[in-house]
Amino acid sequence: NAGVTQTPKFRILKIGQSMTLQCAQDMNHNYMYWYRQDPGMGLKLIYYSVGAGITDKGEVPNGYNVSRSTTEDFPLRLELAAPSQTSVYFCASSYSQGDNEQFFGPGTRLTVL
Amino acid sequence: ILNVEQSPQSLHVQEGDSTNFTCSFPSSNFYALHWYRWETAKSPEALFVMTLNGDEKKKGRISATLNTKEGYSYLYIKGSQPEDSATYLCASAFAAGNKLTFGGGTRVLVKP
Repeated sequence: NAGVTQTPKFRILKIGQSMTLQCAQDMNHNYMYWYRQDPGMGLKLIYYSVGAGITDKGEVPNGYNVSRSTTEDFPLRLELAAPSQTSVYFCASSYSQGDNEQFFGPGTRLTVL
Repeated sequence: ILNVEQSPQSLHVQEGDSTNFTCSFPSSNFYALHWYRWETAKSPEALFVMTLNGDEKKKGRISATLNTKEGYSYLYIKGSQPEDSATYLCASAFAAGNKLTFGGGTRVLVKP
């Protein structure tokens, strides 16, 4: 099993550009999450999904969109990149919420200039 | 907003010494407490998931305790080794089926 995979590993965007961060998992997990990591702030939840076709906002959803058309894939879309979105983005998945461990992807380091 | 707090933010430990640090969370509506280990340039990996008051978990030299009534968990590292250097994250779920709220992490540096 590859676990949770993310692409790209690194990306530099100009202000106003758009991009999609890809995330896929092969563990047949229903639950998937997108986090951003800001220095000294731990992980903040952007969006999450409890199954194909179902998504919901986390703590910091502004400026992002997600979709979940299959169990395996959970892409994160940035429509108009802003410097405040410079961060490391982690995708994670779990068998269920709350009492099941989350499995994290390797992360995408995004810089917006 | 439900706050999960970790202290200290960072600590330096001499190789061979034992250490511990704290995760504090609101005790109302507690459901589960997670600990993750996060090495530099890698992704977080789960250490423990605890749900019951008084629960204790152990993996090698690392162990954790949970007090849901007063809202805290301790992570212990016995006989620290340089490979224990990492950021340790805790996260809490506050209701069944709820998402995790993460603390800011405790960064541990073990000096040889």
